[in-house]
Amino acid sequence: AQSVAQPEDQVNVAEGNPLTVKCTYSVSGNPYLFWYVQYPNRGLQFLLKYITGDNLVKGSYGFEAEFNKSQTSFHLKKPSALVSDSALYFCAVRDKGHSSASKIIFGSGTRLSIRP
Amino acid sequence: DTEVTQTPKHLVMGMTNKKSLKCEQHMGHRAMYWYKQKAKKPPELMFVYSYEKLSINESVPSRFSPECPNSSLLNLHLHALQPEDSALYLCASSQQAGYTEAFFGQGTRLTVV
Repeated sequence: AQSVAQPEDQVNVAEGNPLTVKCTYSVSGNPYLFWYVQYPNRGLQFLLKYITGDNLVKGSYGFEAEFNKSQTSFHLKKPSALVSDSALYFCAVRDKGHSSASKIIFGSGTRLSIRP
Repeated sequence: DTEVTQTPKHLVMGMTNKKSLKCEQHMGHRAMYWYKQKAKKPPELMFVYSYEKLSINESVPSRFSPECPNSSLLNLHLHALQPEDSALYLCASSQQAGYTEAFFGQGTRLTVV
């Protein structure tokens, strides 16, 4: 079965510093990978996805992610963190299957805290 | 319009009540989803509708009954729930099931008393 792992429950970064939120994946075949962000008491917001093509994917709010096939990783990055980036971040993968029976599986989530 | 609208935002219901959660999108998406999320946990998939047909049921108890009246609407009918069913219920939609990113509603915070 397809899966993603987020090894860090929490990441703390000072404002203005670069941030990285880690994600590793386990899939058979080509991976479809996603990052979502969730603010308190809100639904999830899509940030970016990797389907195919360039390994560096750019997304919303200045975030980017690097797909690394040899390390089976898809880490989320931002060059300069903002306090407003503080939220819960989920990595996700498409489960393999026929498209009508396909689903997105979420990692356990990483809480990002940016201190002023 | 890139919104998924869920109503109500909050719901408190007794274990003998019947209630419904509603979800609406006007993005022309053909896949719609119900997720359940407990505090500080990832969303857990409950149901997937693809082209208005139920394509995935993640072994959800029958006290949860989904309905897709048309391509824009998705309902979740609730009956005889248990306190452990209290959670944030999220609706989402995507152009197709699984291939494309999903847009999520803000959720319904359900409390079963």
